[in-house]
Amino acid sequence: SQTIHQWPATLVQPVGSPLSLECTVEGTSNPNLYWYRQAAGRGLQLLFYSVGIGQISSEVPQNLSASRPQDRQFILSSKKLLLSDSGFYLCAWSGTSYGYTFGSGTRLTVV
Amino acid sequence: EDQVTQSPEALRLQEGESSSLNCSYTVSGLRGLFWYRQDPGKGPEFLFTLYSAGEEKEKERLKATLTKKESFLHITAPKPEDSATYLCAVQASNTGKLIFGQGTTLQVKP
Repeated sequence: SQTIHQWPATLVQPVGSPLSLECTVEGTSNPNLYWYRQAAGRGLQLLFYSVGIGQISSEVPQNLSASRPQDRQFILSSKKLLLSDSGFYLCAWSGTSYGYTFGSGTRLTVV
Repeated sequence: EDQVTQSPEALRLQEGESSSLNCSYTVSGLRGLFWYRQDPGKGPEFLFTLYSAGEEKEKERLKATLTKKESFLHITAPKPEDSATYLCAVQASNTGKLIFGQGTTLQVKP
């Protein structure tokens, strides 16, 4: 069966520090992968999506970037975090009739 | 522009008190409408997919219905463990992307 792993679960980082969040998928090949951000009390905002290795589409201009170095690995990065980057980050992959399957999320607090 | 609006934002029910959550949408070609449940601090968990108007899906105390403009999530005789945020999303056929509503936070009191 397909599973999606996302880590770390929580992260507290100072302003100006770098960021790297990792997401891996098992049990499927060539998945479409997505990074979402969920601000407190708000819906999910699509940040990046990828249809294959090295192929990244950005949905909103921001301080973050994404990379897909391997078929089942998706990384969200920042060179210098801002306070506004705080939020709940979710990785997802798209299957067939189930829409997207989400990871367990990373709570990022920038202080 | 593709858009999803959920109402109410928050709902408080007594255990056993049935109610409905609404999801209104506009999309240029609907591939599917999805309902997710999200517990605090966790990722959304898939509940239902609906593809065409008139379709209904059921799971335990939950029943989802779909029209050409909206979807309802009916909760029959809810229990405290049904407390969560319920998210609605539409997948546009031209882009394949999921567009989410803001969610309805349900609290069921014993």
